[in-house]
Amino acid sequence: GEDVEQSLFLSVREGDSSVINCTYTDSSSTYLYWYKQEPGAGLQLLTYIFSNMDMKQDQRLTVLLNKKDKHLSLRIADTQTGDSAIYFCAETSFQKLVFGTGTRLLVSP
Amino acid sequence: KAGVTQTPRYLIKTRGQQVTLSCSPISGHRSVSWYQQTPGQGLQFLFEYFSETQRNKGNFPGRFSGRQFSNSRSEMNVSTLELGDSALYLCASSLGQKNIQYFGAGTRLSVL
Repeated sequence: GEDVEQSLFLSVREGDSSVINCTYTDSSSTYLYWYKQEPGAGLQLLTYIFSNMDMKQDQRLTVLLNKKDKHLSLRIADTQTGDSAIYFCAETSFQKLVFGTGTRLLVSP
Repeated sequence: KAGVTQTPRYLIKTRGQQVTLSCSPISGHRSVSWYQQTPGQGLQFLFEYFSETQRNKGNFPGRFSGRQFSNSRSEMNVSTLELGDSALYLCASSLGQKNIQYFGAGTRLSVL
């Protein structure tokens, strides 16, 4: 079945690194995504990783993919208060996105 | 390049009414997908259109329908609104089936 799991909440201090974890189910996913949602807003595409990659780095963001364990993580370096938001991971399954429940990241000064 | 545009941003309706939401995809994108976001159920897939054809449909009742026009713009319609239809409706566009999906800001529907 389709079930993408994420922890619900993460709290860090400004300047620390944040790591948000996700487990997915569909091993045939072409892409795996991270989206960011701020209050009252839509989904902003943060980054994505192609399923044949292990790692992708994009400025402060690092995505790690462990296909054997079906585990995806997003690391945000030097976390800022503006990074406070809900972060969703998503897998592609039968031509649609299946989302996790979202991880609420709270960054304190 | 303009992003995905959804109109209106906010809607208030009463039970039993119907509503139509609109989505204009990124220029050149031919695939449009719709998702419903609620606090209880999270983000759920409604349907996907490509070249005016519905290719995939989620597990929603027949009251939820959509269509896509020749210019790739899409509309979704919800008939006989229920309180539980209150949600943020998000539209995403992509070049094609296996391409990256970009989302609009959403339409927040409140059913009273």
